[in-house]
Formats: sequence, C-alpha cells, structure tokens
Amino acid sequence: LAKTTQPISMDSYEGQEVNITCSHNNIATNDYITWYQQFPSQGPRFIIQGYKTKVTNEVASLFIPADRKSSTLSLPRVSLSDTAVYYCLVAAGAGSYQLTFGKGTKLSVIP
Amino acid sequence: EAQVTQNPRYLITVTGKKLTVTCSQNMNHEYMSWYRQDPGLGLRQIYYSMNVEVTDKGDVPEGYKVSRKEKRNFPLILESPSPNQTSLYFCASSPIPRQGRGYTFGSGTRLTVV
Repeated sequence: LAKTTQPISMDSYEGQEVNITCSHNNIATNDYITWYQQFPSQGPRFIIQGYKTKVTNEVASLFIPADRKSSTLSLPRVSLSDTAVYYCLVAAGAGSYQLTFGKGTKLSVIP
Repeated sequence: EAQVTQNPRYLITVTGKKLTVTCSQNMNHEYMSWYRQDPGLGLRQIYYSMNVEVTDKGDVPEGYKVSRKEKRNFPLILESPSPNQTSLYFCASSPIPRQGRGYTFGSGTRLTVV
C-alpha cells in the first residue's frame, strides 16, 4: 500500500525558496505524483504533477529521483500568500483507484 | 462554470438522525470521491467511485454509505451519525481515474453531530 510521508510543518521567510519532500516508498510503477495546495476552509487545488525527473510550471517545480521513492516540491521566492498546507498524492497501490493524501505540510511564510 | 457543488455547507444534527450530503459535478468526470478532514489527520478518503454503479471503500468507510446512480451525482449518506463523524467533508471529481490530476474539490461541508 503506497503511503506518503511529509514533514508536518515548515517555516520560511518571504523571498526564499522552499523545498518540501514527500516520501512514497511503495509507489506503483505507472503512478504519478501529484501535489496540491490547501488554504483554510477551502478544498485543495492542483499545483503540479510528475512521473520522473523534473517538471516545472508557472508556480512550482517538482523533482523526482530515478528510484521515485520520494519527490520534492520546490516553491521559488515564496510570499505570504503561499502560507498553506501542501499535500502530495499517489495512488494506494498497483491497480488501485484509491487516492491517498498524506497528512500534509503546513508552510508558514514569515514577513 | 466547471465546478463541484456540495450541499449543505454547514449542518448540525443529532446522534442517530440519518442525513445525506449531496455532491454534484458538471464536468462529466468519471471519478468521484469523498474525503473527511480532521485536525492533524489530513485528508482521508471515505469512498470513491470509478464510474456509474462502481464504488469502493477508501481509508475510513465505516459509518458511511455512497451511491452513484448518475455520473454527475455522488451523495454521502450517514445512516446513524455519531459525534466522531463531526468533521469537514469534501467531495471531489477527476476526469482521470488513478492519477490524481485535475482533481476538482467542492467547497466543503462542515458537519457537527451532537
């Protein structure tokens, strides 16, 4: 059963780069890693998805090593509005349609 | 506007009184799911559905029922609610089963069982 593990919380100053790592040791061969952002009392929203190596979009980068047992979400030059909970998401196992969120990482950006 | 609509947004009920939280999506998505969110526990999947009449248990299905008679609707039923089901509930849908991309979440339903 693919399970994800993330740090519970992180603090960062405005303007710094933030890296959040998620461990997913049992990820299935064909599964992607997806990251979501959640603000209080709102549903999570999609940030980025990747399968291997590096993916970059307008808000973040995702680094996935060759063994795919972990992934790192990188947020460049964070601002106060990036204060949120960040989740990584993988399928529960090979052939599974169960999508498992981790407990999330609460990122606090300090002025 | 493409969206997932949950109702009600807030609900206070008493132990044992059956209730239904509705969820509807207008994006023709195949995959729909219910999650509950509790402090310190993150998002935990209750049930999911891969298509009409196809549902399966998530991490915490006890005390809940679902049905998928139409593609757009995925109601969550609590036959006999208990205080430990007090939580924030989210419905979500996706066009791509398994991969988690393009998950659209509803605005949430805050349920209190007294």
